[in-house]
Amino acid sequence: QTVVTQEPSLSVSPGGTVALTCGLDSGSVSNDHNPSWYQQTPGQAPRTLIYSISTRSSGVPDRFSGSILGNKAALIITGAQAEDESDFYCALLMGSGISVFGGGTKLTV
Amino acid sequence: QVQLQESGPGLVKPSGTLSLTCDVSGDSISSGNWWSWVRQAPGKGLQWIGEIYHSGRTNYNPSLKNRLIISVDRSKNRFSLNLASVTAADTAVYYCARDSGSHPGYWGQGTLVIVSS
Repeated sequence: QTVVTQEPSLSVSPGGTVALTCGLDSGSVSNDHNPSWYQQTPGQAPRTLIYSISTRSSGVPDRFSGSILGNKAALIITGAQAEDESDFYCALLMGSGISVFGGGTKLTV
Repeated sequence: QVQLQESGPGLVKPSGTLSLTCDVSGDSISSGNWWSWVRQAPGKGLQWIGEIYHSGRTNYNPSLKNRLIISVDRSKNRFSLNLASVTAADTAVYYCARDSGSHPGYWGQGTLVIVSS
């Protein structure tokens, strides 16, 4: 089965900008993979930040943005805040309607 | 605003069947969305289990396909998960969700299921 790759951990200074990426162990991420991005804090259900590559879910601050950068999907946080410290997951659409999550990125602010 | 609520036994014996239900409110299960199950083992990442459309069409994680049945009950506005022949590796928080785009979008709060004798 295809593996979806994410950085295990990243750090960013308060007010800084960071890019979290979502790739494939073989091949490039394209629009067809229709990536979504999720934020999760301990003990809570995931929160959907971005779907369909770049559409922000209702109530998500505009400091979160999604795109395809090169051969990966990317979640960019511009002006990181302390409350952004959490785990972030991406999901990619594979063949036959199957979704695959990445292993997650632990973000330290 | 759609709301989803998982329910079912919190403890299942090894080799038994894990059965969960997701009750949907604020939306019709026949509204044209896909409805998903996702799980998260303790201290681990998210794993997509599968999804169902109101017609009954399903997509399953290949690694679970042989043990998995997801079904829908339109009359009760709910969908269900049945996972057979469970082992300790199936211990996890199980989430139901309504898809946005191609993946889970609106999430339930999750329910912990422990597989143990």
